[in-house]
Amino acid sequence: QVQLQESGPGLVKVSETLSLTCTVSGGSISNYQWSWIRQPPGKGLEWIGHIYNSGSTNYNPSLKSRVTISVDTSKSQFSLRLSSVTAADTAVYYCARTKIGSWYFWFDPWGQGTLVTVSS
Amino acid sequence: EIVLTQSPGTLSLSPGERATLSCRASQSVSTSYLAWYQQKPGRAPRLLIFATSTRATGIPDRFSGSGSGTDFTLTISRLEPEDFAVYYCQQYGSSLTFGQGTKVDIK
Repeated sequence: QVQLQESGPGLVKVSETLSLTCTVSGGSISNYQWSWIRQPPGKGLEWIGHIYNSGSTNYNPSLKSRVTISVDTSKSQFSLRLSSVTAADTAVYYCARTKIGSWYFWFDPWGQGTLVTVSS
Repeated sequence: EIVLTQSPGTLSLSPGERATLSCRASQSVSTSYLAWYQQKPGRAPRLLIFATSTRATGIPDRFSGSGSGTDFTLTISRLEPEDFAVYYCQQYGSSLTFGQGTKVDIK
């Protein structure tokens, strides 16, 4: 079955750019959308954004000015860049396969998550 | 932005009991775009229910969802030991938001 795996630095300095990649295996990257979601330690879930195979994106308005999500279908990967990070961006970052239809929307499955700590 | 408020914050129940979790939206949500997820400590969330009442693949039928408009409910008919976890509702439409979660713990 399809599996997702996040990768990237676990430590990022304040004001720098957080960069993560999600590798999709066991299934096609086509016909789905792909999302990033984060969870600060001990807190709830926050949607960051998603990307369609066409390359069009949809971002959380609260993060939109700092977020870029891209996809590389040839590598079955999609990526997240979050600029000008602060301590508030410290979180477990999840990637997730997404399906958006006329009568449904879901995230399934999710990657295992990767903790990114922002430190000065 | 639609705010989802889940209640109660914590639900303390015994195995075999019925759990009823509430998700209330600040504005009307399409039934097509309301989902529920389960998260266990140190694990990624897992999709339980989408489109308000459709169980995801492999989800046992003790889990059910219902609701419309601004009020949605996740019901676990008889709690199994593996059901003690945190549950999140999520809407898509006016942007995308999650509720703050309801923790179901063992009484």
